[in-house]
Amino acid sequence: DGGITQSPKYLFRKEGQNVTLSCEQNLNHDAMYWYRQDPGQGLRLIYYSQIVNDFQKGDIAEGYSVSREKKESFPLTVTSAQKNPTAFYLCASMLRVGHQPQHFGDGTRLSIL
Amino acid sequence: AQSVTQPDIHITVSEGASLELRCNYSYGATPYLFWYVQSPGQGLQLLLKYFSGDTLVQGIKGFEAEFKRSQSSFNLRKPSVHWSDAAEYFCAVGLANTGNQFYFGTGTSLTVIP
Repeated sequence: DGGITQSPKYLFRKEGQNVTLSCEQNLNHDAMYWYRQDPGQGLRLIYYSQIVNDFQKGDIAEGYSVSREKKESFPLTVTSAQKNPTAFYLCASMLRVGHQPQHFGDGTRLSIL
Repeated sequence: AQSVTQPDIHITVSEGASLELRCNYSYGATPYLFWYVQSPGQGLQLLLKYFSGDTLVQGIKGFEAEFKRSQSSFNLRKPSVHWSDAAEYFCAVGLANTGNQFYFGTGTSLTVIP
């Protein structure tokens, strides 16, 4: 079945450490997105990419970085510059043609040790 | 400023009762609209979507939503709630001219009591 796979499900980070969250999709979608979810704040856009080798900052990009070397992959790195990284991270993808919905992975919960 | 508002942070209903979750948006053009549901620790699942045409749209799990342009609203309804409907519900707006970005409301948490 086609879908979006996020790994790992749970991730722990030490102070000063960079960590990378994986997002892979086999839906042949063009666009991919990373959101951060905090209680009571809904989803906030971190980065998005509409095509391979191109991506744009969202509303809260500081302290994060991404790459889009392959259509099916859009990893997110949470750097040591992100001072409050504890959150639930969601990856999404969608077709760019027409008014399509975004499809979501099951998320990665990042915590600080 | 562009925004999506879900005025109810938390709603409690009895099983079998009807449900309406409110969503208002503020955008210049008619956006395309979605409702998603999220169970704890899971991703978001699409319930229904509206792009154009009939303003009453049907979705999965017995949900429906009505688009009212004059009120800039897209409220979600269900005639009879089941205990399994307890979850977080998000309204979202998509704007094609912004790189297909979606804007999400802050969510409404639904509790269902027996």
